[in-house]
Amino acid sequence: GENVEQHPSTLSVQEGDSAVIKCTYSDSASNYFPWYKQELGKRPQLIIDIRSNVGEKKDQRIAVTLNKTAKHFSLHITETQPEDSAVYFCAASWGTGNQFYFGTGTSLTVIP
Amino acid sequence: DAGVIQSPRHEVTEMGQEVTLRCKPISGHNSLFWYRQTMMRGLELLIYFNNNVPIDDSGMPEDRFSAKMPNASFSTLKIQPSEPRDSAVYFCASTMGRANQPQHFGDGTRLSIL
Repeated sequence: GENVEQHPSTLSVQEGDSAVIKCTYSDSASNYFPWYKQELGKRPQLIIDIRSNVGEKKDQRIAVTLNKTAKHFSLHITETQPEDSAVYFCAASWGTGNQFYFGTGTSLTVIP
Repeated sequence: DAGVIQSPRHEVTEMGQEVTLRCKPISGHNSLFWYRQTMMRGLELLIYFNNNVPIDDSGMPEDRFSAKMPNASFSTLKIQPSEPRDSAVYFCASTMGRANQPQHFGDGTRLSIL
């Protein structure tokens, strides 16, 4: 089955700096890669996703890149703000069943 | 849209009692997932359904756990008998039954077994 690894497990950055979270996957059949943000005590919420026919996608301060050859994808947050502090999960999926294989999460702290 | 609705939001009960968690997926979604989240083990997939049929229950910890989806708008996760190690946040998520679609999570049930 699919195996998704996520690094780092914790990340602290100064407000205004950039944050990068990286994930690798094992199954070359995976073709959909969503990213979720989970604030303390709340549900995971989709923030951005990318499909395997695209190499990069941006939405304001967040962007995701995908390298299918190397089987890794990354989340980039620029101009970080305190409200970006949360746990971020990557996931990989394929097929119509939409079973997601989640990474173990990255706890991001943005220091004001 | 109301989103995925879970109940109860919080449940505190004594060891040995039966616990039933409920989920209403987003209308039109035909895939439903039950997850358990703890600090130690992260987000674990317990079971998922496509068109009300259980597809993969390999994540269900043991026979004390069972899940049903009697129709497209309702699912339950039952623990009987409950144990303190079952304490966790249980999330339900749903998605459209097409490829490359995100899962939408409910607000979760925070379960504490004393």
